[in-house]
Amino acid sequence: ETGVTQSPTHLIKTRGQQVTLRCSSQSGHNTVSWYQQALGQGPQFIFQYYREEENGRGNFPPRFSGLQFPNYSSELNVNALELDDSALYLCASSGAGVGETQYFGPGTRLLVL
Amino acid sequence: AQKITQTQPGMFVQEKEAVTLDCTYDTSDPSYGLFWYKQPSSGEMIFLIYQGSYDQQNATEGRYSLNFQKARKSANLVISASQLGDSAMYFCAMRGFSGGYQKVTFGIGTKLQVIP
Repeated sequence: ETGVTQSPTHLIKTRGQQVTLRCSSQSGHNTVSWYQQALGQGPQFIFQYYREEENGRGNFPPRFSGLQFPNYSSELNVNALELDDSALYLCASSGAGVGETQYFGPGTRLLVL
Repeated sequence: AQKITQTQPGMFVQEKEAVTLDCTYDTSDPSYGLFWYKQPSSGEMIFLIYQGSYDQQNATEGRYSLNFQKARKSANLVISASQLGDSAMYFCAMRGFSGGYQKVTFGIGTKLQVIP
């Protein structure tokens, strides 16, 4: 059974650019969630996708958008990057219910200069 | 709205001793799940234990147990027989429905250091 994978592992962008992060979910999981974790903070929920539809969203602006594909893999897109977007971005896959455990990928470290 | 509160920024424990990490929560969701995760310095988030809001028994997973007190809205993690490898950040999290959408909220974490 393959775990959750994310790519790339590290990324450096400049302010105003756009970035796409990718996540492959664990086998058997139909739900993917994305989190932003700034240094020294807990993960902040960005949004969640279930069967290609967004079914949960945190307090993030529309420039944070996502996609989920038929194989349940997912992308996080961030437009008009700001310095404060520098963080570890975590992807987690799970079943759909609130009692389903989320399993996390290793994360993508994004630095915005 | 969901809220998770972890009031211990840092904790020290002697190796082989037990330690309790505090977590209180607030939600109006009738059904929710409570989770604890461990995050070593390498950054990966490791699932430790889960408690459902309707579960009558406290969850246990090896050396980890969850002291769930629903009336007090607390879900404390107990680690027995601490090991040096337990040194890490520990996060309490809640998953529930809010406004027709699912939402997951994490606390700010507790840094645990195990002393030899």
